[in-house]
Amino acid sequence: DIQMTQSPSSLSASVGDRVTITCRTSQSISNYLNWYQQKPGKAPKLLIYAASSLQSGVPSRFSGSGSGTDFTLTISSLQPEDFATYYCQQSHSTPNTFGQGTKLEIK
Amino acid sequence: EVQLVESGGGLVQPGGSLRLSCAASGFTFSSYWMSWVRQAPGKGLEWVANIKQDGGEKNYVDSVKGRFTISRDNAKNSLFLQMNSLRAEDTAVYYCARDIARNGVGATDYWGQGTLVTVSS
Repeated sequence: DIQMTQSPSSLSASVGDRVTITCRTSQSISNYLNWYQQKPGKAPKLLIYAASSLQSGVPSRFSGSGSGTDFTLTISSLQPEDFATYYCQQSHSTPNTFGQGTKLEIK
Repeated sequence: EVQLVESGGGLVQPGGSLRLSCAASGFTFSSYWMSWVRQAPGKGLEWVANIKQDGGEKNYVDSVKGRFTISRDNAKNSLFLQMNSLRAEDTAVYYCARDIARNGVGATDYWGQGTLVTVSS
């Protein structure tokens, strides 16, 4: 199975900050990497697919990059509604493993 | 509007069984891979299983192989997860989810609200 390592596991930031979350995979997955946002008590929401493509309806302050084994999710200017937990997921091979999550909190 | 509505969760004793159902609407169900993803209380997401459009291909995470069976009924727009030999570590919210392929890469674009399965004596 492909192992996912997300960092940091938690992050405190302020509205307007630029934030970067990283995800590393145990083997090369090309661009088979997705990012999700989850708020407490809610289902996850797809933000980025294929490493860098923005899902329809997702604000342009979210962006993704990377290929191979190293990926990043960047939020260019944090908004109050962005405080949530973020997960990366690989879809290169089953099981389609998730990272352990990054909880983004208000500073 | 795409809707996925899970049912069938509840409290079950270790070693017991449960069958989860997911009613899909608002899209052509038979055209999509479908998945189950779970989340233990206070923990992260764990992919459990997926199934091809015609049910001809199924994949599972190792921890549920031989105990869980994913299936679908395209005539009834329904997805199922039969869970046998349940263990305490299977306690989680179980999400039904729709899979898509964008630029040749798979992702999950719609999720249900989840159904809670609690395995405890």
